[in-house]
Amino acid sequence: SYVLTQPPSVSVAPGKTASITCGGNNIGTKSVHWYQQKSGQAPVLVIYYDSDRPSGIPERFSGSNSGNTATLTISRVEAGDEADYYCQVWDSSNDHWVFGGGTKLTVL
Amino acid sequence: EVQLVESGGGLVKPGGSLRLSCAASGFTFSNAWMSWVRQAPGTGLEWVGRIESETDGGTTDYTAPVKGRFIISRDDSVSTLYLQMSSLKTEDTAVYYCATDGGSDSGLVNWGQGTLVTVSS
Repeated sequence: SYVLTQPPSVSVAPGKTASITCGGNNIGTKSVHWYQQKSGQAPVLVIYYDSDRPSGIPERFSGSNSGNTATLTISRVEAGDEADYYCQVWDSSNDHWVFGGGTKLTVL
Repeated sequence: EVQLVESGGGLVKPGGSLRLSCAASGFTFSNAWMSWVRQAPGTGLEWVGRIESETDGGTTDYTAPVKGRFIISRDDSVSTLYLQMSSLKTEDTAVYYCATDGGSDSGLVNWGQGTLVTVSS
């Protein structure tokens, strides 16, 4: 089945830019979605269709997808952005949603 | 405002059964595709399965570890999604979330707060 690979952790200083990658075979041909999950809370969709933001999500969150890597970028990082982030795609070969293993974003 | 409220979690012995419910409001439930996602303690998200709207056929899909043991159903008359779990294993211990499923180009748009299922003797 399709596999998504994320780095376990990313650290960034406040005000800087964080980039979280999601690797998959020809992932650029799929729509990638990103979720933010803060400690003890349910996940929240922050990016869908590679780079679109749901209403209420700050413009600081952006996404891109090409080749074998999708990237979630968070600009001007704030302490409140500290969370686990998961990428997701639909595996049409198996009719399954697939999640990446998650990346813990730490704001220094 | 979209609201999804899961219930029915608890402690169950291995081999036992449990039914989770997800009460929906704030949108036209009968038109919605719905998914269940679980998260074992200290681990990442795992998709469990989904159900199409009845008008789109009502087809269900499941992840391999639960296929044949879990059944997803829906009652549009009361805007409620169900997850019937049987032959439970210790590895099914997790928080179970329901979510509106926007399809391959939209992702899982709205999520409930989750309900904890613990499988232990």
